[in-house]
Amino acid sequence: GENVEQHPSTLSVQEGDSAVIKCTYSDSASNYFPWYKQELGKGPQLIIDIRSNVGEKKDQRIAVTLNKTAKHFSLHITETQPEDSAVYFCAASVNYGGSQGNLIFGKGTKLSVKP
Amino acid sequence: EPEVTQTPSHQVTQMGQEVILRCVPISNHLYFYWYRQILGQKVEFLVSFYNNEISEKSEIFDDQFSVERPDGSNFTLKIRSTKLEDSAMYFCASIKTWGNEKLFFGSGTQLSVL
Repeated sequence: GENVEQHPSTLSVQEGDSAVIKCTYSDSASNYFPWYKQELGKGPQLIIDIRSNVGEKKDQRIAVTLNKTAKHFSLHITETQPEDSAVYFCAASVNYGGSQGNLIFGKGTKLSVKP
Repeated sequence: EPEVTQTPSHQVTQMGQEVILRCVPISNHLYFYWYRQILGQKVEFLVSFYNNEISEKSEIFDDQFSVERPDGSNFTLKIRSTKLEDSAMYFCASIKTWGNEKLFFGSGTQLSVL
């Protein structure tokens, strides 16, 4: 089955710097790659997603890139702010048959943005 | 903004007891899910549910687990005889329609089995 690896497990940056989190996946059939932000005591919240027919997607300070050949995708946060501090999860979805919504998650990256 | 709501936020139970975790998915969503997250580990898929039946389930979702949509709004996860290793945060999630993969999660129920 699908396996998603995520690095680093922790990341500390200064406010205003950029942060990059990387994920690799194993199943070439995966075609949907969301990123979730989880703040303390809350459920994961979708922040950006990308489908396999697109190489890059941007939404204000966050962007995601996808390299299908290498089977990896990355989250980029620019001009980081203290409120960006959270755990970020990447995920991959192998959509076939009844597996709609069956996301395989990475282990998460705890991002700390220091003022 | 509509959201998935889960109750209770915390549940403490004795090993061997039955627990029911409750969820109210977003009202116009049709696909429902349970995920769990053991402390410090990744979020894991348990089960998906559509049209009043299970669509898919993981290896974790064994005979001790069941799901139900008892009425038009609630979606429940029952663990028949809890084990220590069932201690985790359980998240309910929903999707609006097939082909729309944007999964909306609730805030979770922290289950502690003593």
